[in-house]
Amino acid sequence: NAGVTQTPKFRILKIGQSMTLQCAQDMNHNYMYWYRQDPGMGLKLIYYSVGAGITDKGEVPNGYNVSRSTTEDFPLRLELAAPSQTSVYFCASSYETGAYEQYFGPGTRLTVT
Amino acid sequence: GENVEQHPSTLSVQEGDSAVIKCTYSDSASNYFPWYKQELGKGPQLIIDIRSNVGEKKDQRIAVTLNKTAKHFSLHITETQPEDSAVYFCAATPLGGSYIPTFGRGTSLIVHP
Repeated sequence: NAGVTQTPKFRILKIGQSMTLQCAQDMNHNYMYWYRQDPGMGLKLIYYSVGAGITDKGEVPNGYNVSRSTTEDFPLRLELAAPSQTSVYFCASSYETGAYEQYFGPGTRLTVT
Repeated sequence: GENVEQHPSTLSVQEGDSAVIKCTYSDSASNYFPWYKQELGKGPQLIIDIRSNVGEKKDQRIAVTLNKTAKHFSLHITETQPEDSAVYFCAATPLGGSYIPTFGRGTSLIVHP
């Protein structure tokens, strides 16, 4: 199994541009998550999904959108990129939520200038 | 919502010494407490977890203790090795409501050879 994969690994955006961060998992997990990691700030939840067609906001959803059309894929869309969205983005999945391990992807480092 | 405080933010030890990282949480409904290790340039990976019906859990050189009354839990690493150098995150997960974990801000552990 490849686990959780993310593309791209690095990206530089200009202010106002849009992009989609891709995330896929091959473990047949129901739950998928998007986090952003800023230095010294831990992991902040952006959006999560409990299954195909079902998504919900996390702690910091403003400026982002998600969709979940299949069990495997959970893309994160950035509209009108701003410097405040400069961060490292991690996608994660778990079989269930609650007392279950989360499996993280390798991350996407995004810089908005 | 849940609030997780993690200390220290940076911990520097000599190889062979012990390292302790402490976390406190605010929501008494939290019942699952995982610890993740993040190596440079990678996503976090689960290293040990504990549930509220257990006070201590050990896996080789790492152990976690939980005090539900005081709402704190700790990670203990004995006989540290240079490969233990990483960022460690604690999390607290309520087994109710959203069932989504809240992460601490992370501890950067540096083990000097």
